[in-house]
Amino acid sequence: EDKVVQSPLSLVVHEGDTVTLNCSYEVTNFRSLLWYKQEKKAPTFLFMLTSSGIEKKSGRLSSILDKKELFSILNITATQTGDSAVYLCAVEFGLINTPLVFGKGTRLSVIA
Amino acid sequence: KAGVTQTPRYLIKTRGQQVTLSCSPISGHRSVSWYQQTPGQGLQFLFEYFSETQRNKGNFPGRFSGRQFSNSRSEMNVSTLELGDSALYLCASSSDLGRALYEQYFGPGTRLTVT
Repeated sequence: EDKVVQSPLSLVVHEGDTVTLNCSYEVTNFRSLLWYKQEKKAPTFLFMLTSSGIEKKSGRLSSILDKKELFSILNITATQTGDSAVYLCAVEFGLINTPLVFGKGTRLSVIA
Repeated sequence: KAGVTQTPRYLIKTRGQQVTLSCSPISGHRSVSWYQQTPGQGLQFLFEYFSETQRNKGNFPGRFSGRQFSNSRSEMNVSTLELGDSALYLCASSSDLGRALYEQYFGPGTRLTVT
């Protein structure tokens, strides 16, 4: 059965810390992996990764994919309270138009 | 451009009732997907509509149904509500240009509570 597993499920850090969130997947015919940030209700898109070893970066956030080991990490440096959110990983696989499969998310809490 | 809107934002229903949720996609977007989000199961795909046709369906019972209108607005209906249907229901739209899933924009969701 195809699945996407995120770890840890929750995390509490202090402002200024660096965090690494993990997403592993077991799907057939992998196409892409996406990261979303969900603060209150609507998830917002962060990154899409399709190629191994290429880092995507946006400010203090970065992400990388390892297609051989079937995982991705999302890194956040110098965390701020505004980074507190649920981070969702989703995988696109199979034939075109196959729906995304989401992990259960990692709840990150950044305390001052 | 206005974002994805969902109505109502909050809803309380009792077991056995039915409910209809509405989603208006971003102007010009023709693909609308529905998801159910619960603490235990995370975000799960319900179905996707494109040009008034259901293109994909997740593993949910037949009590869950949907439709899309010619203006791309979509509704989902849940009949014979169960306690386990309590969840946040999210709608997402995309322009479907080359199936750009990374450009799937989510609405704020409808929080359904079944008592």
